[in-house]
Amino acid sequence: GEDVEQSLFLSVREGDSSVINCTYTDSSSTYLYWYKQEPGAGLQLLTYIFSNMDMKQDQRLTVLLNKKDKHLSLRIADTQTGDSAIYFCAVPTLGGGADGLTFGKGTHLIIQP
Amino acid sequence: DSGVTQTPKHLITATGQRVTLRCSPRSGDLSVYWYQQSLDQGLQFLIQYYNGEERAKGNILERFSAQQFPDLHSELNLSSLELGDSALYFCASSGPAGNYGYTFGSGTRLTVV
Repeated sequence: GEDVEQSLFLSVREGDSSVINCTYTDSSSTYLYWYKQEPGAGLQLLTYIFSNMDMKQDQRLTVLLNKKDKHLSLRIADTQTGDSAIYFCAVPTLGGGADGLTFGKGTHLIIQP
Repeated sequence: DSGVTQTPKHLITATGQRVTLRCSPRSGDLSVYWYQQSLDQGLQFLIQYYNGEERAKGNILERFSAQQFPDLHSELNLSSLELGDSALYFCASSGPAGNYGYTFGSGTRLTVV
């Protein structure tokens, strides 16, 4: 079955860039997603990239996709304390129908002052 | 407000009991997904319904069941509860193609004592 791997924790200093990485084993070709979960809240769709793109930039967020290596990353520029959250990578589940997604376990982003 | 409504927000119950969690999807969304989030297991997919029919099943225990009603709201029934069932239960919804990811509710925190 689908396997989506993320590091559990990432610690960065306020103002630095954060890079959260995700690798996956299988995926049908559509969209790949990053979700953000703040304490006590549900998952919020942060950004997404279509599988025929290598990069997508959205203000402080940059998503990079390497389909050959099955590697997805999320870069947050000028990391702020409000970015402290759990970040989930989600990829379409192979054979999971038009809308099946498999989530990674999430990366806890910790901001140091 | 994401548009996906989950009730109740918190639930405390005893072992052996049965509870029902409710979810109203975002207006126009036909698919409803249920996820369980715990510290050790991460985000686990339980089950998906599409327009009233079960579409995909994940790691859902036999003690758990779900259904989606004609008005598209969904209920997750958890019975013979055990301490290990304590977790956050999320509902998410998506449109017909699901190409823009899922919209999550804020979750129900279940505590089994």
